[in-house]
Order: sequence, then structure tokens, then C-alpha cells
Amino acid sequence: NAGVTQTPKFQVLKTGQSMTLQCAQDMNHNSMYWYRQDPGMGLRLIYYSASEGTTDKGEVPNGYNVSRLNKREFSLRLESAAPSQTSVYFCASIPTSGGTDTQYFGPGTRLTVL
Amino acid sequence: GENVEQHPSTLSVQEGDSAVIKCTYSDSASNYFPWYKQELGKRPQLIIDIRSNVGEKKDQRIAVTLNKTAKHFSLHITETQPEDSAVYFCAAKWPGNQFYFGTGTSLTVIP
Repeated sequence: NAGVTQTPKFQVLKTGQSMTLQCAQDMNHNSMYWYRQDPGMGLRLIYYSASEGTTDKGEVPNGYNVSRLNKREFSLRLESAAPSQTSVYFCASIPTSGGTDTQYFGPGTRLTVL
Repeated sequence: GENVEQHPSTLSVQEGDSAVIKCTYSDSASNYFPWYKQELGKRPQLIIDIRSNVGEKKDQRIAVTLNKTAKHFSLHITETQPEDSAVYFCAAKWPGNQFYFGTGTSLTVIP
């Protein structure tokens, strides 16, 4: 049971390049989330998916797209990276059943956009 | 949406003393309030949480209190130890499953 996994761990992009951040969970959780964490800003929600086949915008969705490929996987895509998207990105999941709202976080992806 | 404010942003205490971190939220519909500890370069880890139908919860040296009327909740750490040094985040969960986080408190426990 690996929990929540993210790839890659580190990435450097040039302005305008695109990339996809991958997230997978093996806990059969329904809801999945993408956050970005900037110094002094806490975690801010980019997108979330309450269940397979649904996605919704969070606080800071501009410049990002997501795809809930199946129940396990939730990917985040940057179509044209900008320096303002330099951040640490965390994926998380929660069961949404069984009476718990505990979020399980992945290890994070540290992204630098030059 | 929800707005969560967290204070203080930095906190230094002597080992063995207590530490208190406070958060306020804006939307009375929020119903779940977790606290996370994050060490440098690591992922956030849940340390304690409380639901809106409970006023206080304790787990060994850590406790959380919730005042729904005033819309604020607090983390209390007693008998602090150097390994408690980390950044602590509060959060509030909206009924729509969205989480809103505070901006974090950097706690330093001085041996």
C-alpha cells in the first residue's frame, strides 16, 4: 500500500513549455485534490475531483487543467508554463465515505519555471 | 468561498512551555477543521482534527478547541519538545469537499 504517489519529484521547465504532473492513490479514495504551496501562502486549492469523471475549480485554477483518468489517477497539466507557476505541488485524497475527512498527501513535486 | 486566517505566523517557545496557534474562518457552513504539521521538505501530516459538532478534542500533548459562535479554533501543544519544531497549518472544510488552509505558523521550540 503506497498511499498517494506523485511523479516527478522535481522538474525544471522553461517559460512556455508544457508538462503533466501525475498523481495516483491505491486506497480506493473517491475525492482527489491538487494544491500548490508557495512560501508564506499555505496550500491553495487548484482543482479537485469529488469522484471519477468529475472535476471542479478551486481557488487558483488559471493556467492549469486536470484529468481524472480513473478512480486511482488525477493528473495536473500546465499547457504553457509561466514563472508564476514555480511552486511545490501536492496531490491529496480523501475517502468521502466511512465518516472520515482525513486528507492523505503525496510527497510533492517541486517545479521551477525559468 | 471560505477564508481562513491563522496567527501568529511565527512562534518561539522554551522547551516544556505551551504553544497556542489560532485560526478564524468566515463561513459558518464549514464543518471539519484539521491541523497539519509540516517539516521542511516534507508533506503535511495530520496531527489532530475536530468536527463542528464537537467543542474540544485532545490527543496526548495536543488539543484542539472550536468556538462555532465566534468562528475560531485553536491548536494547543503542551510540554513542547524540540521535535515539535515545524510549520503548522489549520484548515477548514466546506460542505462541498473543498479545503481552505491558513497561511501557516512556524513554531520553534528552544532547548
